[in-house]
Amino acid sequence: DQQVKQNSPSLSVQEGRISILNCDYTNSMFDYFLWYKKYPAEGPTFLISISSIKDKNEDGRFTVFLNKSAKHLSLHIVPSQPGDSAVYFCAAQRLGNQGGKLIFGQGTELSVKP
Amino acid sequence: DVKVTQSSRYLVKRTGEKVFLECVQDMDHENMFWYRQDPGLGLRLIYFSYDVKMKEKGDIPEGYSVSREKKERFSLILESASTNQTSMYLCASTWHNEQFFGPGTRLTVL
Repeated sequence: DQQVKQNSPSLSVQEGRISILNCDYTNSMFDYFLWYKKYPAEGPTFLISISSIKDKNEDGRFTVFLNKSAKHLSLHIVPSQPGDSAVYFCAAQRLGNQGGKLIFGQGTELSVKP
Repeated sequence: DVKVTQSSRYLVKRTGEKVFLECVQDMDHENMFWYRQDPGLGLRLIYFSYDVKMKEKGDIPEGYSVSREKKERFSLILESASTNQTSMYLCASTWHNEQFFGPGTRLTVL
């Protein structure tokens, strides 16, 4: 039972253009959604998050949009840079008694071409 | 800067061996996690711990056990390694909502 899904295993965009990574979830009780970025042979690093009570959060080139009615979130990267090439994981979290437990999607590998 | 370290970056073991993967964090975090990452499957939670000597099963605990004798250290144990446990293993600790990950251990079981 995959509660968090990233249906695109890979995405290729041109440098300077917008990258849009998508994520769907099934559990309406999630409190937070997070995006992590992972380079090969390194652990994931936190990128940006959004509370379930918001519909947008922006941090520099990165914006996350949340559509609760559709149970969908997306990460926009504008403008995309070659250094953004990595695997991006979407994750969802319920606060309270789970100790910060995250449920991850399968990941999307982004390739930004110069 | 939060630091989460894992004892080995690469490990090769034989089927049936007992394997210990160690994780240490230096920020006094209470919650620690072990995941495995496999292509197409993302990160799957094996076990987590919210305090010393406390442990909770994650989504795929079969074939694994854990130990948390000290707050800073969380160990993952493969009692009898099998080839389907070949994977990237990632440890994390939590501060507020954010998880901080170690660099990972690439384990190959032959």
